[in-house]
Amino acid sequence: AQSVTQLDSQVPVFEEAPVELRCNYSSSVSVYLFWYVQYPNQGLQLLLKYLSGSTLVKGINGFEAEFNKSQTSFHLRKPSVHISDTAEYFCAVKGNTGFQKLVFGTGTRLLVSP
Amino acid sequence: KAGVTQTPRYLIKTRGQQVTLSCSPISGHRSVSWYQQTPGQGLQFLFEYFSETQRNKGNFPGRFSGRQFSNSRSEMNVSTLELGDSALYLCASSSTIGTGGYEQYFGPGTRLTVT
Repeated sequence: AQSVTQLDSQVPVFEEAPVELRCNYSSSVSVYLFWYVQYPNQGLQLLLKYLSGSTLVKGINGFEAEFNKSQTSFHLRKPSVHISDTAEYFCAVKGNTGFQKLVFGTGTRLLVSP
Repeated sequence: KAGVTQTPRYLIKTRGQQVTLSCSPISGHRSVSWYQQTPGQGLQFLFEYFSETQRNKGNFPGRFSGRQFSNSRSEMNVSTLELGDSALYLCASSSTIGTGGYEQYFGPGTRLTVT
């Protein structure tokens, strides 16, 4: 079984500052990793995903994440945030063998202020 | 291409009643998954359907059930509602199932309030 830990429930940051949202996972098998964003009163939208290959993954809206197998981490970063990035961000993991379900972390609320 | 649609968007029910939620996947998608989202438990996987068959199931009581029709539309049913069933129920569709890092496309959700 897989599990995901997002240690920061809320991250406040000023506009145009860099941000990192942390995600650590646990799994006995190799995994696929995802970051989703949820805006108020909306469903989830995929930001980026790691399947294999390059450990640095670039996504939409200027976000990127780095897969670190030794640290079992998949932290999300953006060099300069905008007010519109204020949302809830979810890290998710899925084992890559058999019919595995997508397991989500508890989410990190990113609050961008002017 | 139209996205995932869920109906109704908001629902208020009384304890003990039952409820049916509907999800229409993106055209051509054959897999539908359901999730429950609450402030306390976060996003919890309910079940996944592919070609009218349940392929995966989360750890929810038997009061939660679902089905998928031949046109890939899916419904989930919750019987004997409890206060703790109040949540945002999200549906997601994808074109494939099984192994693979396939992307799931989420609908806006149905907000269920049980009083």
